[in-house]
Amino acid sequence: DAGITQSPRHKVTETGTPVTLRCHQTENHRYMYWYRQDPGHGLRLIHYSYGVKDTDKGEVSDGYSVSRSKTEDFLLTLESATSSQTSVYFCATSGGQGVRGNTIYFGEGSWLTVV
Amino acid sequence: EDKVVQSPLSLVVHEGDTVTLNCSYEVTNFRSLLWYKQEKKAPTFLFMLTSSGIEKKSGRLSSILDKKELFSILNITATQTGDSAIYLCAVDNYGQNFVFGPGTRLSVLP
Repeated sequence: DAGITQSPRHKVTETGTPVTLRCHQTENHRYMYWYRQDPGHGLRLIHYSYGVKDTDKGEVSDGYSVSRSKTEDFLLTLESATSSQTSVYFCATSGGQGVRGNTIYFGEGSWLTVV
Repeated sequence: EDKVVQSPLSLVVHEGDTVTLNCSYEVTNFRSLLWYKQEKKAPTFLFMLTSSGIEKKSGRLSSILDKKELFSILNITATQTGDSAIYLCAVDNYGQNFVFGPGTRLSVLP
């Protein structure tokens, strides 16, 4: 498994406060992703990155921003947290080098509760 | 819009039973289909399928892809309580993205 660490692993925050989740990888993978997982919805893509300073939106990007200043770090920021953003957030990476396909690897998840 | 559908969404069986999990997809550009097992934390990789008709096996788990009919199945034989998990299907659509299905929650009772 790829070395992917997320921090914090658990956080409780108040509505309206900014929150930043950090993802750090040691595999030098080109692609990094932030997903959220909610009951009944499975894993939904928030944002992804295909290189340093190269990011793009996923299907549920509203209220979130990302930054990637180094290959190994991908930050997810909730500008002003809302209760609907209570979720489990997974960071993932992919090498993107496989001609016939690539595997995506996941971090351990960050449990965020917005009260 | 790219879509991955899994069925059933939930399944309860007893130890020793054989189960079949289904995954169908509609994507604009297909490169591969992946299966993951998720217990309490991060999804862990099971199989990657790229060619039709070639079965991948790992112990009691096996999977096969039908690119003509756009589906895959994951079989688990002689189920054990440790197989209880959410099984996720995902498609790599060449867009530097992976589209996930909602998952099948499997519960194996002793």
